[in-house]
Amino acid sequence: DAGVTQSPTHLIKTRGQHVTLRCSPISGHKSVSWYQQVLGQGPQFIFQYYEKEERGRGNFPDRFSARQFPNYSSELNVNALLLGDSALYLCASSLRRYGELFFGEGSRLTVL
Amino acid sequence: DAKTTQPPSMDCAEGRAANLPCNHSTISGNEYVYWYRQIHSQGPQYIIHGLKNNETNEMASLIITEDRKSSTLILPHATLRDTAVYYCIVRVDLGAGGTSYGKLTFGQGTILTVHP
Repeated sequence: DAGVTQSPTHLIKTRGQHVTLRCSPISGHKSVSWYQQVLGQGPQFIFQYYEKEERGRGNFPDRFSARQFPNYSSELNVNALLLGDSALYLCASSLRRYGELFFGEGSRLTVL
Repeated sequence: DAKTTQPPSMDCAEGRAANLPCNHSTISGNEYVYWYRQIHSQGPQYIIHGLKNNETNEMASLIITEDRKSSTLILPHATLRDTAVYYCIVRVDLGAGGTSYGKLTFGQGTILTVHP
């Protein structure tokens, strides 16, 4: 079975631009969470969506937004990119609202 | 979620057991202990979790002390591919009213290096 898939795997943007990252959860998983991992640190929670509703939000500015589609895939959008947004963005899915999370390989964003 | 304390780094010889400790002295009764690991440049990988009983799966064993203030992840026969950052996380699983069910709070973890 396919795991969590994310696209694109790598991308480069310039300051002020907008980016959209995509995630497809494991088949049957209804919960998707997003994490940001800056180099040298552990992942930080951004959002969780379950059954297409936002269930949790981390301490990130309003420039960060997300949504979940009827097929449970998800998008993370970041507007007005800053240099500090350069990071590995990780998507994780889970079968239920709680329990173990299964992570994708991430989308590595570089902001120049 | 309760805070955890892990040693920043550990070494282990290939083929030997790797015992990774974690302190979580402020854990609450409804908080589970989760272990994840992250191999360089990959997404974190779920290893095991438990509440108060010891747990074992195909990857590892989790030993939780009786007072639940600490735990140990055991990789019984470490290989070079087990070199990774290991994260110990405590989390409430049964949220209620606005709890962020999917949230994992990652610390700095333990860098485990398995050497030949």
